[in-house]
Amino acid sequence: DTAVSQTPKYLVTQMGNDKSIKCEQNLGHDTMYWYKQDSKKFLKIMFSYNNKELIINETVPNRFSPKSPDKAHLNLHINSLELGDSAVYFCASRGGSGVLNEQFFGPGTRLTVL
Amino acid sequence: AQSVSQHNHHVILSEAASLELGCNYSYGGTVNLFWYVQYPGQHLQLLLKYFSGDPLVKGIKGFEAEFIKSKFSFNLRKPSVQWSDTAEYFCAVSSASKIIFGSGTRLSIRP
Repeated sequence: DTAVSQTPKYLVTQMGNDKSIKCEQNLGHDTMYWYKQDSKKFLKIMFSYNNKELIINETVPNRFSPKSPDKAHLNLHINSLELGDSAVYFCASRGGSGVLNEQFFGPGTRLTVL
Repeated sequence: AQSVSQHNHHVILSEAASLELGCNYSYGGTVNLFWYVQYPGQHLQLLLKYFSGDPLVKGIKGFEAEFIKSKFSFNLRKPSVQWSDTAEYFCAVSSASKIIFGSGTRLSIRP
């Protein structure tokens, strides 16, 4: 009964490849997020979707494209992977309106670009 | 602009020592405040949160935090740390539009 799940957990790939990370939440939450955590543990928000609509799109390269087929899923597709994309990517979800409630995080996907 | 500062990047303590991790934020409006913990190799988990009411908030595992509005602070405390508290700690602030995380404080506990 995992609340927020991500696949894959580990992803090792070559520069220039295109890859996707999937996220699913079974909490019935309306809002989902993607975060990037670098090697120094700095957590940076990338995108946020509310009911399948993009509401936050921070300054990230347009090689990163989120897709939300339904409000329980938020996938992240990355084109032309670069060395600097190596990081841990966390998906999160939040219920309720506004930002009053806490976020629930997935286990993370460790992406290594060679 | 909204921001969150955690000035302690790495804190090293011995077991049974008392802990206080600083968190300061800048935002003029109403905020909600959180502390998350990330154990080695794991995802972020909520330790405690403040929305309103009593500014002293109790969380899990013996942690507490105090919201001091005049100082724009939400420091995390624990009277006696254990080796198992070794982790990265993140303060987060949410407003009407977004949630922002601090840069994190790594806590290392010497057994």
